[in-house]
Amino acid sequence: DVKVTQSSRYLVKRTGEKVFLECVQDMDHENMFWYRQDPGLGLRLIYFSYDVKMKEKGDIPEGYSVSREKKERFSLILESASTNQTSMYLCGTRQNYGYTFGSGTRLTVV
Amino acid sequence: TQLLEQSPQFLSIQEGENLTVYCNSSSVFSSLQWYRQEPGEGPVLLVTVVTGGEVKKLKRLTFQFGDARKDSSLHITAAQPGDTGLYLCAGDSGGSNYKLTFGKGTLLTVNP
Repeated sequence: DVKVTQSSRYLVKRTGEKVFLECVQDMDHENMFWYRQDPGLGLRLIYFSYDVKMKEKGDIPEGYSVSREKKERFSLILESASTNQTSMYLCGTRQNYGYTFGSGTRLTVV
Repeated sequence: TQLLEQSPQFLSIQEGENLTVYCNSSSVFSSLQWYRQEPGEGPVLLVTVVTGGEVKKLKRLTFQFGDARKDSSLHITAAQPGDTGLYLCAGDSGGSNYKLTFGKGTLLTVNP
């Protein structure tokens, strides 16, 4: 089974900072994604990638960018963090039978 | 836009009780997945149902996919405190669309 690792479990950043969230998978899966999860709103797709250097916007891409230079790594970038980006961020990979998520990064922007 | 409605949103029961969680949509899905998420962790896939009318069992958990592939249910028999968590359903529309449509979840608390 694939293992997905998110580099940080908890992060606290200041408004205006550039923030990098890292996600690494240990298999050769092509599809990777980033969601954010907020109470009452559920999981919302930010970006997904279907191969190296290939990306597609999800439902809420504003204020975010992504980078996929190697197949195993998919990075989410908050160009200028804002308080409304305080959230739980989930990344993972997709297989035919479903998604495998990382443990999540709880980001607080102050 | 495809939507998945989950009900109930919150459920608090005593150990040993049975419960059912529902996931409904007006859209047809090629498959439907159920996840459980514990506090501070990512969701973990429990099951994927693919065929209309399909029933899958995972110990005390029974999953059913509606005949028309628009709805699904999760039934837990004799709930235990270890079943506590957020249960999410997610629909896959298939094809080249890589996105899953997630319901907002059912937060289950099983009290000892």
